[in-house]
Amino acid sequence: DQQVKQNSPSLSVQEGRISILNCDYTNSMFDYFLWYKKYPAEGPTFLISISSIKDKNEDGRFTVFLNKSAKHLSLHIVPSQPGDSAVYFCAASAPTSGTYKYIFGTGTRLKVLA
Amino acid sequence: EAGVAQSPRYKIIEKRQSVAFWCNPISGHATLYWYQQILGQGPKLLIQFQNNGVVDDSQLPKDRFSAERLKGVDSTLKIQPAKLEDSAVYLCASSSLDRGSNQPQHFGDGTRLSIL
Repeated sequence: DQQVKQNSPSLSVQEGRISILNCDYTNSMFDYFLWYKKYPAEGPTFLISISSIKDKNEDGRFTVFLNKSAKHLSLHIVPSQPGDSAVYFCAASAPTSGTYKYIFGTGTRLKVLA
Repeated sequence: EAGVAQSPRYKIIEKRQSVAFWCNPISGHATLYWYQQILGQGPKLLIQFQNNGVVDDSQLPKDRFSAERLKGVDSTLKIQPAKLEDSAVYLCASSSLDRGSNQPQHFGDGTRLSIL
């Protein structure tokens, strides 16, 4: 039972264009969503997050959109740069036992072409 | 701020042997997580500590995996005996505890385990 899904294993985008990474979830108890970026041989690095009370959060070139009715979130990167080439994981969390439990998607490999 | 430290970075063992991983979280972070990431998949939570108590170990194969967090700081994850399917990257993460507010996790670079 995969509660967080990233259906596109890979994505290629030209430098300067927009990258859109998608994520779907099934559990309506999730109330916080995060995106992580991972380079080879490194651990995931936190990128941006959004609470379920919002539908958009922006940080520089990165914007996350949340559509609760569709149980869908997306990460927009504008403009895309070659250094953005990495694997991107979305994660969702729900409160449990006084803390939060995180579920990760399978990742999307983004390649930004110079 | 120093990040999450993990050691060793790489480990190669034969099946049925034992192995241990060490994690030092970011100073002051109350919550510590161990994840298993198999190639091509997302990180899967094995165990979550809050201070030195276990919050969630529902996906930890307890017949072979064990973990402890002494004094609510460092943590070790042990596999004994190892199986071929344990080949994966083992990630440690930590986050601060802020009641009523979610906090992002900070990850170490992981330990890549290969079972021969």
